[in-house]
Amino acid sequence: QVQLQESGPGLVKPSETLSLTCNVSGRSIAGLSFCWGWIRQSPGAGLQWIGNVCYSGSAHYNPSLRGRVTISVDTSKNRFSLRLTSLTAADTAVYYCVRSEEILNWFDLWGQGTLVTVSS
Amino acid sequence: DIVMTQSPDSLAVSVGERATINCKSSQSVLYSGNNKNYVVWYQQKPGQPPKKLIYWASTRASGVPDRFSGSGSGTDFTLTISSLQAEDVAVYYCHQYYTTPHTFGQGTKVEIK
Repeated sequence: QVQLQESGPGLVKPSETLSLTCNVSGRSIAGLSFCWGWIRQSPGAGLQWIGNVCYSGSAHYNPSLRGRVTISVDTSKNRFSLRLTSLTAADTAVYYCVRSEEILNWFDLWGQGTLVTVSS
Repeated sequence: DIVMTQSPDSLAVSVGERATINCKSSQSVLYSGNNKNYVVWYQQKPGQPPKKLIYWASTRASGVPDRFSGSGSGTDFTLTISSLQAEDVAVYYCHQYYTTPHTFGQGTKVEIK
């Protein structure tokens, strides 16, 4: 059974860059036809889609993040990553890694989530 | 962006009674090419990620009790719990996957009266 698990710092300073990793266990992601992505959840903004990278290599990001986000997949390490730059307090949230079958599809697999706090 | 608006924000229902949650999208999420509505409903319990309940607006996911049902088309959708059980206490979200950016409703908290 495939599982997702997020890892990364729980506390990051304003203006710095957040790097999170999602480790995929239970099956190799190489050659699988899925999209891998990130969603965050905060009391103020609710659930917000950050973006996905799909098996075709195409990347799709939320325009509201104004070019601050990059998602990459490392099949050799069976994981994918999120990079979010120029952090502010508004980026404080629980970050979930997710899977979908294609870009216009529901998210059928979620990690447990990791809380990231942006504070000096 | 497509805005998803849920109502009510919260509701309290007695065990065994019906709970109804509405979700309205700011534009149609019905794709004429396949006549499918690109809406999914999730259930989220404290400390857990959202779990898919209903997809294509009305198709129950595997393992989901049949007391959960989804309906609607175009811009108006409903999640119904026909006979609320204690384990159904959670926050419920609608999500449109018709276009990017994916967007979610603000959530409806369901409690026991």
